[in-house]
Amino acid sequence: QSVLTQPPSVSAAPGQKVTISCSGSTSNIGNNSVSWYQHLPGTAPKLLIYDNNKRPSGIPDRFSGSRSGTSATLGITGLQTGDEADYYCGTWDSSLSVHWVFGGGTTLTVL
Amino acid sequence: QVQLVQSGAEVRKPGASVKVSCKASGYTFTSYNINWVRQATGQGLEWMGWMDPKSGDIVYAQKFQGRVTMTRNTSITTAYMELRSLKSDDTGVYHCARPVCPHGVCSLGSWGQGTLVTVSS
Repeated sequence: QSVLTQPPSVSAAPGQKVTISCSGSTSNIGNNSVSWYQHLPGTAPKLLIYDNNKRPSGIPDRFSGSRSGTSATLGITGLQTGDEADYYCGTWDSSLSVHWVFGGGTTLTVL
Repeated sequence: QVQLVQSGAEVRKPGASVKVSCKASGYTFTSYNINWVRQATGQGLEWMGWMDPKSGDIVYAQKFQGRVTMTRNTSITTAYMELRSLKSDDTGVYHCARPVCPHGVCSLGSWGQGTLVTVSS
């Protein structure tokens, strides 16, 4: 059971928009910045969003992030078949010692 | 550019140990901690712990306490993760990852390619 809660799957048609939620608590999302990762199994995860809503160089503005209270959201617009992947939220958690936590991951299917 | 290059795939029997290496280049090795993240077969990403290469300070995820050891050799800018008492559900891909910390806010920005560890009798 992951500390952060994500929906197991989402789907939408090419060109449409999708959002992926990530729910946590005051010991993690509520007091720490959230990052989002795109992962194709067998490859290295890719950082999509850092500090809740910032994009690293090279990440298109179709990807966006937000945080409110103890939840965060990843948005993807103009869906492409190449966006099919697993998406994970992550942040620091200070409930015991300072450690990193991930959501359970959300599989995006572009229909 | 930052590169983390990991050692190759390993096969172990249940009860054995495995040691994975992560060779860092393109930055000052002692300036950033190294995290280890695994994806067990059919599961999501799971953080195992981090190590500060400069001080040697380590934080292990509670789940792996007593079974994992993270070390480093600063002279060859390489971090290591050893997992003992392997079980079949330890089968998966193990990644090292380095944070990026613009304005002091850190996320896992650079990742190794992953090392497949297969535990099978």
